[in-house]
Amino acid sequence: EDKVVQSPLSLVVHEGDTVTLNCSYEVTNFRSLLWYKQEKKAPTFLFMLTSSGIEKKSGRLSSILDKKELFSILNITATQTGDSAIYLCAVEVIYGQNFVFGPGTRLSVLP
Amino acid sequence: DTGVSQDPRHKITKRGQNVTFRCDPISEHNRLYWYRQTLGQGPEFLTYFQNEAQLEKSRLLSDRFSAERPKGSFSTLEIQRTEQGDSAMYLCASSLDVAVATEAFFGQGTRLTVV
Repeated sequence: EDKVVQSPLSLVVHEGDTVTLNCSYEVTNFRSLLWYKQEKKAPTFLFMLTSSGIEKKSGRLSSILDKKELFSILNITATQTGDSAIYLCAVEVIYGQNFVFGPGTRLSVLP
Repeated sequence: DTGVSQDPRHKITKRGQNVTFRCDPISEHNRLYWYRQTLGQGPEFLTYFQNEAQLEKSRLLSDRFSAERPKGSFSTLEIQRTEQGDSAMYLCASSLDVAVATEAFFGQGTRLTVV
């Protein structure tokens, strides 16, 4: 059965800290790995990764994928209170469920 | 607004009643997904449509749940004889059916409370 695991499940930091969120997966027919940010309602798209070793970057957020070791990390530097959210990792598979989500990491950034 | 829209945003119902939710995907998207999310959990797959065809349905999905996408555009999710355990956020997402990887775009969700 396809599975996505995230760690930690919860994280509390102070503004200015750097955080690393982890996502590992066991799926068949991998197509891509996606990161979403969920604040109150709808998850909003952050990154899509398809190739190993190529960093995707957007402002203070960056992510990279290792297809050999089957994991990805999401880094957030100089965290701000507005980064407080649940960060979801999902894997798109070619057949079956299409998008398999992990449980999410709840990040709280304190002022 | 050209994003994914869901209606209603909130629904409170008594146990045993039937409820129906609607999802309007992004207009050019032919893939549509329904997910359920409970507090502290990631979205759990329910079902998936490609155009009007329902291609996948979660094995965990009770027979009380049914979804349709009759014309390949909007979709409805019906829950019959609701139970308290059905209380959750129901998320709809859509994406393009393309040969390369693509992201799914989510609606704001329908929060169901069964009392």
